[in-house]
Amino acid sequence: DVKVTQSSRYLVKRTGEKVFLECVQDMDHENMFWYRQDPGLGLRLIYFSYDVKMKEKGDIPEGYSVSREKKERFSLILESASTNQTSMYLCASSPTGTTGANVLTFGAGSRLTVL
Amino acid sequence: AQTVTQSQPEMSVQEAETVTLSCTYDTSENNYYLFWYKQPPSRQMILVIRQEAYKQQNATENRFSVNFQKAAKSFSLKISDSQLGDTAMYFCASAPSGTYKYIFGTGTRLKVLA
Repeated sequence: DVKVTQSSRYLVKRTGEKVFLECVQDMDHENMFWYRQDPGLGLRLIYFSYDVKMKEKGDIPEGYSVSREKKERFSLILESASTNQTSMYLCASSPTGTTGANVLTFGAGSRLTVL
Repeated sequence: AQTVTQSQPEMSVQEAETVTLSCTYDTSENNYYLFWYKQPPSRQMILVIRQEAYKQQNATENRFSVNFQKAAKSFSLKISDSQLGDTAMYFCASAPSGTYKYIFGTGTRLKVLA
């Protein structure tokens, strides 16, 4: 019944490493999102994609990039991980259109620790 | 700019009792949606309830209901007959209709006590 799958639940990386967080959805949703969740800050949007190869920066894109080569897959890339990127990362998807629009379906999250 | 404020970082309630979580928001949009999402410990976030701003009737989903006061820009969540499984972080969110610009509050951690 899992609809949005994040490849890694827990990761520990070293400063300067390149990190890939993968997200796959099986609902044929057009829109996919990467959020960062920190205590006291809620969820903040990193990047959004509304179609294959299309992306838009969110509120905190610095230090991150994304890739969407296929409709079902949306990857978040940390080119050179830093300790201030230690956080919980949430992937989500949503359909486009008036029916069921704007309801996000989330993955279980990836907790990243950068040492 | 849109904002969503949850002023209660933590709350607790006895099992079977009723609890209300507060949320206020600010938006200049005419058409928008409001949401409550629930994030149980170590589990994925799920939608609890959704309200379309142009609908005056408050949304209800089983034990969950909202008190939507559009003029006051208030969107509180009432949980009736609280259950242990309601223990979670609850996030209030808003989004203009047809956009991806969701704004989340900082969350309220609810603990249901046996």
